Amino acid sequence: GAVVSQHPSRVICKSGTSVKIECRSLDFQATTMFWYRQFPKQSLMLMATSNEGSKATYEQGVEKDKFLINHASLTLSTLTVTSAHPEDSSFYICSAPRQGPSEQYFGPGTRLTVT
Amino acid sequence: QKEVEQDPGPLSVPEGAIVSLNCTYSNSAFQYFMWYRQYSRKGPELLMYTYSSGNKEDGRFTAQVDKSSKYISLFIRDSQPSDSATYLCAMRTGANNLFFGTGTRLTVIP
Repeated sequence: GAVVSQHPSRVICKSGTSVKIECRSLDFQATTMFWYRQFPKQSLMLMATSNEGSKATYEQGVEKDKFLINHASLTLSTLTVTSAHPEDSSFYICSAPRQGPSEQYFGPGTRLTVT
Repeated sequence: QKEVEQDPGPLSVPEGAIVSLNCTYSNSAFQYFMWYRQYSRKGPELLMYTYSSGNKEDGRFTAQVDKSSKYISLFIRDSQPSDSATYLCAMRTGANNLFFGTGTRLTVIP
């Protein structure tokens, strides 16, 4: 069964609004979670590494003030897309390592459409 | 040059065929190699994980890593229509960050 969940699975919002996406590890604790973005027919691009109890680490070119990450507990990380624009429309996926760094399990993804 | 190169396909094969999927990479520091399967509009699912060079078999799936050539492969035997998906190779150094290929879209025709 699923070990990482995401909510919502799909969201449509208007330009200028903010959207929060939740990522939960279901039966294990995750001090680290990863957030990826995937555009159609493209691979996953790491956006940021979420660390429980400390600031997230963002990849080069990812605006930390636009993509707010909060890892408030060992089972929950949230990504908030602030002041969303149509170009932010994408498939956002989180992952968490379970038994080791290579045992990385992915959530089902959240499809964001900004109109 | 991308860190990980993967032929995006698409690749169509008849049911029962042997499928070969490949990735090349440029960073010799990569030590951990993975294959993920991703169905449409779903998150990737870990299929195979290999450390360093060698082969690993799991049912109909075999993963091969050749670090000297910086080349990894995934073979699927007796392919089934349910194998139709996008297959992503991924790799990393000792750190957690995964580097993904673009994915190969596979269709197995009944």
